[in-house]
Amino acid sequence: LAKTTQPISMDSYEGQEVNITCSHNNIATNDYITWYQQFPSQGPRFIIQGYKTKVTNEVASLFIPADRKSSTLSLPRVSLSDTAVYYCLVGGSYGGGFKTIFGAGTRLFVKA
Amino acid sequence: DTEVTQTPKHLVMGMTNKKSLKCEQHMGHRAMYWYKQKAKKPPELMFVYSYEKLSINESVPSRFSPECPNSSLLNLHLHALQPEDSALYLCASSPHRDSLYEQYFGPGTRLTVT
Repeated sequence: LAKTTQPISMDSYEGQEVNITCSHNNIATNDYITWYQQFPSQGPRFIIQGYKTKVTNEVASLFIPADRKSSTLSLPRVSLSDTAVYYCLVGGSYGGGFKTIFGAGTRLFVKA
Repeated sequence: DTEVTQTPKHLVMGMTNKKSLKCEQHMGHRAMYWYKQKAKKPPELMFVYSYEKLSINESVPSRFSPECPNSSLLNLHLHALQPEDSALYLCASSPHRDSLYEQYFGPGTRLTVT
């Protein structure tokens, strides 16, 4: 399963767009890329998932280049409540089961 | 109902105790997961159940024993734990085994081993 690398922390201000990039050089053909958000003492919450190109939902966009060796989570116009840890995951079906590996996480701190 | 519930929220146990963690979902999901999360670290996958059968065991020590009695319920039986096993234990579920649909996580059980 591919290992992911992402920045340890990022700071931003309210109203700005935040882009968090994740590197996954050894991503396999059947792996998808997923991003989760986690607040302290809570379970992670799904943000977005994609395989290639661009995916957009009501909270974020995910950009994946053609070689799929990296991906960028884009959060438009962040607010204070977006302060959290953001995890990049790659995962797919392995050995009859479904596996994911969480990256180390990026701590995003949004300031007023 | 898009909720995964976990009980208890907190658990303190001695190294000779036997205890169990419980996870429940009523979303009809057929894959369920146990993760362990240490402070300021990402969740680490422990077990994956698919259609009530154990499909992945990430080389977890035998003092952790998972059980899936039915499609809605997942247990983690604990015995003879070590202090380093203290962590947040997260349960998750997802709709399909071979598809990468989102995993729904519960709030976790905060376990302290004394």
